[in-house]
Amino acid sequence: GNSVTQMEGPVTLSEEAFLTINCTYTATGYPSLFWYVQYPGEGLQLLLKATKADDKGSNKGFEATYRKETTSFHLEKGSVQVSDSAVYFCALSVGVDSSYKLIFGSGTRLLVRP
Amino acid sequence: GAGVSQSPRYKVAKRGQDVALRCDPISGHVSLFWYQQALGQGPEFLTYFQNEAQLDKSGLPSDRFFAERPEGSVSTLKIQRTQQEDSAVYLCASSLRPMESSGNTIYFGEGSWLTVV
Repeated sequence: GNSVTQMEGPVTLSEEAFLTINCTYTATGYPSLFWYVQYPGEGLQLLLKATKADDKGSNKGFEATYRKETTSFHLEKGSVQVSDSAVYFCALSVGVDSSYKLIFGSGTRLLVRP
Repeated sequence: GAGVSQSPRYKVAKRGQDVALRCDPISGHVSLFWYQQALGQGPEFLTYFQNEAQLDKSGLPSDRFFAERPEGSVSTLKIQRTQQEDSAVYLCASSLRPMESSGNTIYFGEGSWLTVV
């Protein structure tokens, strides 16, 4: 079946540190891959996405590259800020007919300290 | 409104009670989704509407769960005879176009937190 596995949190970093949150997936077919972020008291927001192998999604200084050979979509940021503290979810969708069905990982909480 | 609005934000129900959760999608959005998020887990798909048509309800966990969107805008998720395992955050989301369209962005509400005691 289709599934997403992401590293457990919490991840605690100092401001300006480098961030990596690992995400690997299992999918039948060729999935689209997403990172969503949930800030405290807010709804889930799409952070970035990639729809085919070797695509790189980027937004707000965050990047993730769709690696088909390692079935991974790791989230990275070169210098985190306190305002990046949130829960990050990796997700996938598969197929045209079921592209609305997002399959999420369990989330990784990031805490950035000043 | 500016975003997807859900009510109530918090609901405590006694086991066996019926509950109704409301979702106001972004005005004009064709697609509407419900997800269930248990504590410490990622959201799980429940159901999908395109306008008033419920195109997929495969994620509804039992026949105690029912969703409707009679006029193609506001949606209600109803849970009958609530059980403790129904305790979760129920997320509503909407999107401007049918999900078959490319480049569609899904906007999530803040969720309705349901606790069954």
